Formats: sequence, structure tokens, C-alpha cells
Amino acid sequence: DQQVKQNSPSLSVQEGRISILNCDYTNSMFDYFLWYKKYPAEGPTFLISISSIKDKNEDGRFTVFLNKSAKHLSLHIVPSQPGDSAVYFCGGAGNMLTFGGGTRLMVKP
Amino acid sequence: DADVTQTPRNRITKTGKRIMLECSQTKGHDRMYWYRQDPGLGLRLIYYSFDVKDINKGEISDGYSVSRQAQAKFSLSLESAIPNQTALYFCATSPSGARQPQHFGDGTRLSIL
Repeated sequence: DQQVKQNSPSLSVQEGRISILNCDYTNSMFDYFLWYKKYPAEGPTFLISISSIKDKNEDGRFTVFLNKSAKHLSLHIVPSQPGDSAVYFCGGAGNMLTFGGGTRLMVKP
Repeated sequence: DADVTQTPRNRITKTGKRIMLECSQTKGHDRMYWYRQDPGLGLRLIYYSFDVKDINKGEISDGYSVSRQAQAKFSLSLESAIPNQTALYFCATSPSGARQPQHFGDGTRLSIL
């Protein structure tokens, strides 16, 4: 049973608009959440994180929101750029890091 | 130079062969990890090591073994490869301490025929 789920395998957004990537988790022991971005033929790179004691963390164009009662987090990218086109993985960390299946974001010029 | 280097980058082999994937890092991190990526399943942890004398099984360790030869080197072996081990394999490192992001290599694409 997957403890972290990204229910949208893909998302297409127009350049300049907002991209919202969603992630649901089941493990209440997760106390830290991360988002990674992955380009083809490269390894995932760390993007942004949030502690479970917060509900929002912002870094430039990227904001992560955490709703603990709903066991849901989301990544907002505003404004979206073509270079943001990649696969995005969310992860929940308790003793170890558990990843979701990923969402492929395509930002159209 | 890449901070986390995986070799080989691509490998095609036959069922039953022994395969070793290697990972070396120049980041000076104590912790190292091996993951595999399959479509729709994300990254799943195979083994991890918090220091040279520490080896731990992850979520999907069956059919795999590892060796931590030094702080900077962590290798993954498939003793007798089978086709469902065809996947993209990633090595990662992180500093000691809680809640440290992991840094990934560029992966090894392994195909088992």
C-alpha cells in the first residue's frame, strides 16, 4: 500500500499560469515533507521542503502547502515557465523518506 | 565533476548474470542510499547505510545486496538478475542528522533480458 500518492500522472499548464501539484499521504508519523524535480536522464534534485509544524513554506516561485488534517500537501509554481517542465516527486519523511509516484508537468509556451 | 557519480550509466545484461552498480560521492556525506524507479511507482528504497559499518534493508531489498566499501563508496549487487529488476537505479547521499535532503546521482538504466 503506497503511503504517498500523487494521483495525477501528468499536468499541462500554459506558461505564466499557476501549476498546482498535489500529494496525499497516509502515514501520520511523517513529520517532514519534500518535493523533488527530475529532468530526463538526470537524478532528482531537491526543490523545497516543509516541516509538519508549518502549513506553508515559500521559496521564490515555489510554495508548498501542508494540510495535516487532510493529510494533503501541494506544490504551487507561480508563474510557470517552460523550464519547469519535469517530473515532480513528493516525499514524506519519518524514519525514512517515502516517495510518491510522480507527476509529469508540461508547461507550454 | 558530479558530486554523486554512478557507474555504469546504462547496462544491458541477461537473466542469471551477476551485476554490480557502483556509486561514489565527493560530498563527504555519511549516509548513502540505493533506490529503484519504476513507472508510476516513484522511487523505492532498496538499501541504505548511515555509516561504513551500518547497512539496512529498505522497502524492496529481496534479490539485492550492498557493500559500503568506504564513506564515499556504496555498491549495489544483483546476484542473479531477473527481468523484473529492469529499472532505473539511483544512488543518493545525505548528511547525518534529521531531515536532511538527499542528493541523487544521475542514475543507471539497467535492462535484463
